Amino acid sequence: ETAVFQTPNYHVTQVGNEVSFNCKQTLGHDTMYWYKQDSKKLLKIMFSYNNKQLIVNETVPRRFSPQSSDKAHLNLRIKSVEPEDSAVYLCASSLGSQFFGPGTRLTVL
Amino acid sequence: GQQVQQSPASLVLQEGENAELQCNFSTSLNSMQWFYQRPGGSLVSLFYNPSGTKQSGRLTSTTVIKERRSSLHISSSQTTDSGTYLCAMERGSAGNKLTFGIGTRVLVRP
Repeated sequence: ETAVFQTPNYHVTQVGNEVSFNCKQTLGHDTMYWYKQDSKKLLKIMFSYNNKQLIVNETVPRRFSPQSSDKAHLNLRIKSVEPEDSAVYLCASSLGSQFFGPGTRLTVL
Repeated sequence: GQQVQQSPASLVLQEGENAELQCNFSTSLNSMQWFYQRPGGSLVSLFYNPSGTKQSGRLTSTTVIKERRSSLHISSSQTTDSGTYLCAMERGSAGNKLTFGIGTRVLVRP
């Protein structure tokens, strides 16, 4: 099956903890992305990677860092979560049009 | 201000009715994409539509890039069409990132 896969589906944690979300695409695309969808449902780009090179780095807090081992994987690490990080994090890949994963819902208590 | 404006914000339809969703862009763009999202669900790409008209089943997308607008037409709506429809634009100067609108929430009643 070719698609964009994300784990975990959801994660509940406490303020100050570190979390890591995984994303893998089997579409053979060169570019991958992380988006954040807040409580108002607005989607905003966080990062994009092309062949392991960061090509777009939005002004996100430094506690967020993308990690890529190869062009099929792009993980997202949050060093010390804060309440405002509660959101759905969506991974995508593209070759022209963008295809999205199912998302990871993060709840920070 | 919002670079991608969608209208209406929400829409209630009786099953079988048609609907037209609008998307307007405040800046020049290379291309745009329409997505569908169920509550709590992932995004499903409907159309990647640099320009012109594309049809898929009961959905038709028409984009006029130079006028910075796109529309999504739903014909003979069904209850399964309920959800949020998002449009997004891609600007070449910003890499391939998508800038999204806030979406149109559609509810189709039986």
